[in-house]
Amino acid sequence: QVQLVESGGGVVQPGGSLRLSCAASGFTFSSYGMHWVRQAPGKGLEWVAFIRYDGSNKYYADSVKGRFTISRDNSKNTLYLQMNSLRAEDTAVYYCAKVAMGHFDYWGQGTLVTVSS
Amino acid sequence: AIRMTQSPSSLSASTGDRVTITCRASQGISSYLAWYQQKPGKAPKLLIYAASTLQSGVPSRFSGSGSGTDFTLTISCLQSEDFATYYCQQYYSYPPVFGPGTKVDIK
Repeated sequence: QVQLVESGGGVVQPGGSLRLSCAASGFTFSSYGMHWVRQAPGKGLEWVAFIRYDGSNKYYADSVKGRFTISRDNSKNTLYLQMNSLRAEDTAVYYCAKVAMGHFDYWGQGTLVTVSS
Repeated sequence: AIRMTQSPSSLSASTGDRVTITCRASQGISSYLAWYQQKPGKAPKLLIYAASTLQSGVPSRFSGSGSGTDFTLTISCLQSEDFATYYCQQYYSYPPVFGPGTKVDIK
């Protein structure tokens, strides 16, 4: 069965950095695009970034462009999100999600990132 | 970017009720629309994609319809496990955008 397990969240000061990971299993990871989606406390869902199956194309939300970098290691079945210059408004649960024909068919359980001094 | 709206933002209903949630896109998105269910503290779960295709394993009391700009999610006979927040999402163009959500709670 498909499993996506995020890790790497925690508390970080404003201006700091954090790298999230998403370990995938139960499907051929190298054949699917992947997304990061976040949800601030008590708020709705916000798409963050997308990477094609082979890493050749990446897209970012305007709110994170230039600060966040999505990447993947298909040999390790792992998706990453490098987050730099973090701000208070980046505080959220971050989910990785698998793409299927454009929609998101499987989601991880999420990892909480708190940006606070 | 395409904007997504949902109505109502919340509703109270009883077990057994028929519930309808509406989602509207700011421009035509054909049938590139998905619906997700999210319970507190849990990840979203895909219910419907391509506006009306039920995801495998999702109960048949859930259904979706619409195309272009106007879409609906219907729960034909609300069950206790259906009390949750529902989000629509367009994937016609980047960025993929979610609606603000509709919270369904117990009357």
